[in-house]
Amino acid sequence: DIVMTQSPLSLPVTPGEPASISCRSSQSLLYSNGYNYVDWYLQKPGQSPQLLIYLGSYRASGVPDRFSGSGSGTDFTLKISRVEAEDVGVYYCMQALHTPSFGPGTKVDIK
Amino acid sequence: EVQLVQSGAEVKKPGESLRISCKGSGYSFTNYWIVWVRQMPGKGLEWMGIIYPGDSDTRYSPSFQGQVTISADKSISTAYLQWSSLKASDTAMYYCARRGIILGQGMDVWGQGTTVTVSS
Repeated sequence: DIVMTQSPLSLPVTPGEPASISCRSSQSLLYSNGYNYVDWYLQKPGQSPQLLIYLGSYRASGVPDRFSGSGSGTDFTLKISRVEAEDVGVYYCMQALHTPSFGPGTKVDIK
Repeated sequence: EVQLVQSGAEVKKPGESLRISCKGSGYSFTNYWIVWVRQMPGKGLEWMGIIYPGDSDTRYSPSFQGQVTISADKSISTAYLQWSSLKASDTAMYYCARRGIILGQGMDVWGQGTTVTVSS
């Protein structure tokens, strides 16, 4: 099984400032086609999760461009260029290359 | 509007059976996979399994294989998650989500979730 880890697990943020979440996998998620099979999801309080990023760096439809995904192989990062109050919630990375598995989640809240 | 609408909250006793549903609308139900995701109280997300309603191709996470059954009725654009004998540890929120036909497209539409409570 592929194990996903995230850091930090808790991230207090200041509106207008950047934020970054790291995600690591126990095996490479880079496939032979050159794509990294990693998604990022945000679960806002009391809501269903929503897709932010797929294939490591592609923003889902309707996702603001302040969100970006990067990385390759086993190390991935989600960056928010300027945090807004509406960005609070729990962020999950998920590997989709093998039987999918989520990271433990990073809780983002306002300082 | 593309949406997945899940059945309502359930309260059951241990040992009872249960089937919850997820109805798709606003898109071609048979051209996307449906994923089921568990979220136990206060915990993270767990990928349970996936079904392609077009031909009922179904795969399970090893953690859930034999514990639940995923099915679909494409004639009514509905996917199901069922248990034959519930345990208290099945208490959780269950989400269905749509995934594109091509691996890697992400789960772009989610249902509102179904709360299942199993208690004697």
